[in-house]
Amino acid sequence: NAGVTQTPKFRVLKTGQSMTLLCAQDMNHEYMYWYRQDPGMGLRLIHYSVGEGTTAKGEVPDGYNVSRLKKQNFLLGLESAAPSQTSVYFCASSYTKRTGGLKGLFYEQYFGPGTRLTVT
Amino acid sequence: AQSVAQPEDQVNVAEGNPLTVKCTYSVSGNPYLFWYVQYPNRGLQFLLKYITGDNLVKGSYGFEAEFNKSQTSFHLKKPSALVSDSALYFCAVKRSGGSYIPTFGRGTSLIVHP
Repeated sequence: NAGVTQTPKFRVLKTGQSMTLLCAQDMNHEYMYWYRQDPGMGLRLIHYSVGEGTTAKGEVPDGYNVSRLKKQNFLLGLESAAPSQTSVYFCASSYTKRTGGLKGLFYEQYFGPGTRLTVT
Repeated sequence: AQSVAQPEDQVNVAEGNPLTVKCTYSVSGNPYLFWYVQYPNRGLQFLLKYITGDNLVKGSYGFEAEFNKSQTSFHLKKPSALVSDSALYFCAVKRSGGSYIPTFGRGTSLIVHP
């Protein structure tokens, strides 16, 4: 399995340009997430999805849009890039599995390798 | 509401010595707790989790963590540090039940000196 993949790995945009980041997972996970990581800020959730066709806002959604048309893909769009969106973006997916009782519930996330975006 | 604190931005330890990376949490109800590691220019990798059961949880690469409900802590430990353990470590918490949205700490940089 490839796990969680992200494209592109690097990108430089000019202010006002648009772009789409693609996340793909081959683990049949229901849940997918987009985070941004900035120095000293840890991980901040941008948007997430609990299943195909559904999306929801996270902690820092402004300036971003997402779509989950297929279960395996989660797209993050920047309509008009701003320098404040310079960051490293991580996609993640997770699953739940019942094997009986509480011990059967798993929530760990699988992360992609990241996309380093610079907006000038 | 749920939150997690990693009180140390950086932890320095000599190779071969035991290491501890601290994490405290706040959550209503029972917590699900996780540790992740991030090597330079890589995504986060899952290390271990506490859902229920034994307070001492063992994970990948020889790491373990102890859940302490009275102190609301979930410190990451390893008996003997390796230089290759140098990385950024994240603690995360999620309230049992509810949505699948964990809250991450800001991360602790572990530096293991030869």
